[in-house]
Amino acid sequence: GQSLEQPSEVTAVEGAIVQINCTYQTSGFYGLSWYQQHDGGAPTFLSYNALDGLEETGRFSSFLSRSDSYGYLLLQELQMKDSASYFCAVNLGSARQLTFGSGTQLTVLP
Amino acid sequence: KAGVTQTPRYLIKTRGQQVTLSCSPISGHRSVSWYQQTPGQGLQFLFEYFSETQRNKGNFPGRFSGRQFSNSRSEMNVSTLELGDSALYLCASSAGDRGTSYEQYFGPGTRLTVT
Repeated sequence: GQSLEQPSEVTAVEGAIVQINCTYQTSGFYGLSWYQQHDGGAPTFLSYNALDGLEETGRFSSFLSRSDSYGYLLLQELQMKDSASYFCAVNLGSARQLTFGSGTQLTVLP
Repeated sequence: KAGVTQTPRYLIKTRGQQVTLSCSPISGHRSVSWYQQTPGQGLQFLFEYFSETQRNKGNFPGRFSGRQFSNSRSEMNVSTLELGDSALYLCASSAGDRGTSYEQYFGPGTRLTVT
């Protein structure tokens, strides 16, 4: 089976940098995705890593280490609107489906 | 390009009843996946359809079923509703290729309450 672990809650202040970690145990690993979900909203795609290393998209970056079965999402210059739940998800290539972690609730304080 | 749409947005049903939820994917997307989201279990994969065929199925009982039409629109059905079926049901579409399945576009969801 597959399992993903991420912290349940993270709190930071505006303008700060926060890192949300994700460790996974899975077979047939194809890549690690990150999604953001605001309260009452739909998950939206943020980033994807298929290879080791850092992917940068504006204020958000995502990192993957396949040898360590570990990845993280880095959010810089935090803004109040970044308060949301963040999910890591593994992409099982052969199954073409996403398995999500339990989510990390990020609270950004003024 | 219009996003993923789901109907209805809210639904209240009684135990034992059945329900059908509808999803229209982004134009050109051939893959539709369904997820159940609850506070306790998070986002759980139900099934995925591609070109009217179910390609993948999660660990849900047979009361949960779905189908996809030739225009890629999809429906999911839950029969003999239980209180534990109360959840947000999310539909997501993607192009369907192996290389793109990591990026899925979610609809706003249907909030189902079973009383």
